[in-house]
Amino acid sequence: QQQVKQSPQSLIVQKGGISIINCAYENTAFDYFPWYQQFPGKGPALLIAIRPDVSEKKEGRFTISFNKSAKQFSLHIMDSQPGDSATYFCAASGGDSSYKLIFGSGTRLLVRP
Amino acid sequence: DARVTQTPRHKVTEMGQEVTMRCQPILGHNTVFWYRQTMMQGLELLAYFRNRAPLDDSGMPKDRFSAEMPDATLATLKIQPSEPRDSAVYFCASGPPGITNYGYTFGSGTRLTVV
Repeated sequence: QQQVKQSPQSLIVQKGGISIINCAYENTAFDYFPWYQQFPGKGPALLIAIRPDVSEKKEGRFTISFNKSAKQFSLHIMDSQPGDSATYFCAASGGDSSYKLIFGSGTRLLVRP
Repeated sequence: DARVTQTPRHKVTEMGQEVTMRCQPILGHNTVFWYRQTMMQGLELLAYFRNRAPLDDSGMPKDRFSAEMPDATLATLKIQPSEPRDSAVYFCASGPPGITNYGYTFGSGTRLTVV
């Protein structure tokens, strides 16, 4: 019940296209859903986050869509750029261990020029 | 830019040796985490400190791993004795007071190879 399932494992998108990464969770106590971006040789960096009181959050080209009833959330990267090529992790936290981020398995995104 | 500093960046050691990884959290941050990243298991939480006190180390193999915060500017993760299965990238992250689950900043990690 603590798992966060992420798909796809890898994704190739042409420059200018839309990248979509999906995550699903089971624990209904989760109340915070961040996305992290990780470049090779670096630690994960917080990209964007959402709480379940809203269904969508947009920051620049990055949008989180949240479906509480389906217990799913997704990251959309509009106008994908080669510089977006990185590994993306969804995560969730909440409930008894609100400090503990449970990470998805990661999606390796490659944006071709 | 404020950053979490981890040393060393890379460590190669022989099985059975002691390994110490260090982390300097961002000044003023009072929460510190140790995560381990592997291809097979992804990102796993090993330990969590708040105000230098260990609040959760349930993810850490107790027989060989230990984590401490001797002071507010230093967190350490020790492995003794090290084993090849400990090979991974170890990340430290810190967070400011008053925020329970967001605003964490990760360091660049220590890549550990045990041969």
